[in-house]
Amino acid sequence: ELKVEQNPLFLSMQEGKNYTIYCNYSTTSDRLYWYRQDPGKSLESLFVLLSNGAVKQEGRLMASLDTKARLSTLHITAAVHDLSATYFCAVDMSRGSRLTFGEGTQLTVNP
Amino acid sequence: GAVVSQHPSRVICKSGTSVKIECRSLDFQATTMFWYRQFPKQSLMLMATSNEGSKATYEQGVEKDKFLINHASLTLSTLTVTSAHPEDSSFYICSARDSHQAFFGQGTRLTVV
Repeated sequence: ELKVEQNPLFLSMQEGKNYTIYCNYSTTSDRLYWYRQDPGKSLESLFVLLSNGAVKQEGRLMASLDTKARLSTLHITAAVHDLSATYFCAVDMSRGSRLTFGEGTQLTVNP
Repeated sequence: GAVVSQHPSRVICKSGTSVKIECRSLDFQATTMFWYRQFPKQSLMLMATSNEGSKATYEQGVEKDKFLINHASLTLSTLTVTSAHPEDSSFYICSARDSHQAFFGQGTRLTVV
């Protein structure tokens, strides 16, 4: 059974600071996805990482994937309040198959 | 990117009644759709995989007679919560996939009173 674990589950940080969210998964996969969820809303796709060593950046967020370590990171640079949300990573076992989600990281960026 | 439209976004129903939620893929054909349920402050849990033209595959612990799934066309899957009870109150999200990524509906907030 595929398991996906995120760390930390709760993160409170000040504006302007940097931090990293970690996502570990238990079985071989070379595809990992990051999503953002605002309260009461559905998921917004942030990054699709499709190979070992993939790195993608969008604004203050950067995601990377190490398939050998079964680890992905979501790095936040110079956080701003608008980044406050819950962030999920997800993994699938094969193309087009179901996604297994991590527990989510609830991020709060304080002024 | 592809769009998945889910309707309704919110519904309040009385205990014992049934509620139907629709999920449409607007610009691609989805042979498979996924239905997730999310309780407050929790992650998304897969309920079932909806297959066009065949029976849905339910996850362990999900009652197939209570959560009826129909996937009659390549662009529409429906989830019907039958004889709803307050414990069925949750946020339901559908998803359709291509080979590279998943697209999510807007979600349906179901409240059973």
